[in-house]
Amino acid sequence: DGGITQSPKYLFRKEGQNVTLSCEQNLNHDAMYWYRQDPGQGLRLIYYSQIVNDFQKGDIAEGYSVSREKKESFPLTVTSAQKNPTAFYLCASADRGRRTDTQYFGPGTRLTVL
Amino acid sequence: QKEVEQNSGPLSVPEGAIASLNCTYSDRVSQSFFWYRQYSGKSPELIMSIYSNGDKEDGRFTAQLNKASQYVSLLIRDSQPSDSATYLCAVNIDRTGGGNKLTFGTGTQLKVEL
Repeated sequence: DGGITQSPKYLFRKEGQNVTLSCEQNLNHDAMYWYRQDPGQGLRLIYYSQIVNDFQKGDIAEGYSVSREKKESFPLTVTSAQKNPTAFYLCASADRGRRTDTQYFGPGTRLTVL
Repeated sequence: QKEVEQNSGPLSVPEGAIASLNCTYSDRVSQSFFWYRQYSGKSPELIMSIYSNGDKEDGRFTAQLNKASQYVSLLIRDSQPSDSATYLCAVNIDRTGGGNKLTFGTGTQLKVEL
């Protein structure tokens, strides 16, 4: 099956801990994205990567870090510097074809800080 | 002014009626427009993309784009209770040259009543 997987589905973190959210895709897409969604809010872009070994900050990158060592993987680390990390985290990917900005989403990870 | 604006709703329509969802955007150079459906607790799924002025139909869904008025809409014909969800409008707004970033509205909640 082709698609985007995210793990874990639910994650609980104690204050002060770093956690890493996994995102994997087998769609052969070049571009990958991380978004955060808070209740009743739209999606806000955290980081994105257009190509392996390169990534850019989005609108709310503070307190987060990413890596893109492989085309199919784009993990997101939520660091202890992120003041309010409880949210629904969504990973997306897009093909760099003629229409390069059609994004498809994974199932999401719900992070709760205890 | 928000870059992408949607009425948060809820928009209530009776079963079998036409639901009309609206979205306005601020950047005149935007080229790509998307509608996503998001069920409660789930990730967004792509319904329609539209790039040219006019209408684009796919089954019960019709997307309408008017770039002069900076307005994009989604019509759902013969609305069903399973259409009850939040509909997100997304627009490609790229000011930095980084490319392929979407800006999302906060979504309109649709309720289809029996």
